[in-house]
Amino acid sequence: EVQLVESGGGLVKPGGSLRLSCAASGFTFSTYSMNWVRQAPGKGLEWVSAISSSGSYIFYADSVKGRFTISRDNAKKSLYLQMNSLRDEDTAVYYCARDLGVVRGQPVLDYWGQGSLVTVSS
Amino acid sequence: QSVLTQPPSVSGAPGQRVTISCTGSSSNIGAGYDVHWYQQLPGTAPKLLIYSNSNRPSGVPDRFSGSKSGTSASLAITGLQAEDEADYYCQSYDSSLSASFGTGTKVTVL
Repeated sequence: EVQLVESGGGLVKPGGSLRLSCAASGFTFSTYSMNWVRQAPGKGLEWVSAISSSGSYIFYADSVKGRFTISRDNAKKSLYLQMNSLRDEDTAVYYCARDLGVVRGQPVLDYWGQGSLVTVSS
Repeated sequence: QSVLTQPPSVSGAPGQRVTISCTGSSSNIGAGYDVHWYQQLPGTAPKLLIYSNSNRPSGVPDRFSGSKSGTSASLAITGLQAEDEADYYCQSYDSSLSASFGTGTKVTVL
């Protein structure tokens, strides 16, 4: 059974940093691209970042470019999101999601974690 | 700021058919990029419902169907059931914003 479990969320002050982790199991992690998607309270979904299976290709939404860094450790079957210079508007539930890989250059997210809440507030 | 526009809400009685539109432009859907659909039940993570315009992942009932034409796409739910009450999001690729989700539609079963 495919499982994605996020951790590392919490309360942080504006300008602070936080690192999210996503532990994967039930599939060959090293062969799938992975993504982070966030959802602000009561709002819609926003794609944040993607990383290819080897980590060679990385993409970011303009809203987080230069502040967030996605990475992965295939040996540990883990995905990460380092978030720096956090702003109030970064407050959201952050989901990690697996890319089905059926459309070249475009994520199709077939499995999602339960989400990790990040709250940015003074 | 999403580049894909959906109606905020749609509703129908049990057994009815409802459709949700996803309107884009020539830089996303109209450029030929595929459209995918997700269902988000209250308090849960999204679930992939339709991928590449009209394909259903294993386990998704055939009551759900997708289509795409020009700069728009649609999700249809036939034989509406109480368990279909959820938020639905379309997703595509935009040449300026990379992956992009629609604004979301809340489906209410009357």
